Amino acid sequence: GAVVSQHPSRVICKSGTSVKIECRSLDFQATTMFWYRQFPKQSLMLMATSNEGSKATYEQGVEKDKFLINHASLTLSTLTVTSAHPEDSSFYICSADGGALTSTDTQYFGPGTRLTVL
Amino acid sequence: EDKVVQSPLSLVVHEGDTVTLNCSYEVTNFRSLLWYKQEKKAPTFLFMLTSSGIEKKSGRLSSILDKKELSSILNITATQTGDSAIYLCAVEVASNTGKLIFGQGTTLQVKP
Repeated sequence: GAVVSQHPSRVICKSGTSVKIECRSLDFQATTMFWYRQFPKQSLMLMATSNEGSKATYEQGVEKDKFLINHASLTLSTLTVTSAHPEDSSFYICSADGGALTSTDTQYFGPGTRLTVL
Repeated sequence: EDKVVQSPLSLVVHEGDTVTLNCSYEVTNFRSLLWYKQEKKAPTFLFMLTSSGIEKKSGRLSSILDKKELSSILNITATQTGDSAIYLCAVEVASNTGKLIFGQGTTLQVKP
């Protein structure tokens, strides 16, 4: 149980284009999902908290108009990187709160999406 | 500002060695401390600690929290090459969203 998937796993795009990344909880419902980015040899940095049916909460320094988050259902959240630039190249990871599924009440992470902007 | 600091940042050992990874934190409204192992992709959950002084153990891995010292350690005994990974410490801040603050991670390399 507690499986989180992400799609695509890897994407290469041209500068100026937009890229959408999907995060799905496969066997549980997640009212809250989290989006992180990770640069090489660095830790995970929380970008935003995605709440089903409401606006996402962004961390300080994260541009909400550039990183659009939509949490349309209890099993799906999407992150759209708009007008991507090379500095947006990174590893994007989502997580979902396992909630009542397990006793550990922890977040379960998706496999991540490697974004490369040329 | 909430922060989590891990040490060392990197470590190279040989198979069979025992390692101790450190995590210290300064956060408001501490809820729990979590350890994750990250290999090539996403982190996988190891332990969640909420109470001071109670050791959690899973095979060769164990971890303990010291709320007085605001720190935790992760021990790995009889290391194997498969233990090579980045070990991440995260602190959950008490809120209605379960926000995690991650440390920089410790990169462990176990040589044969």
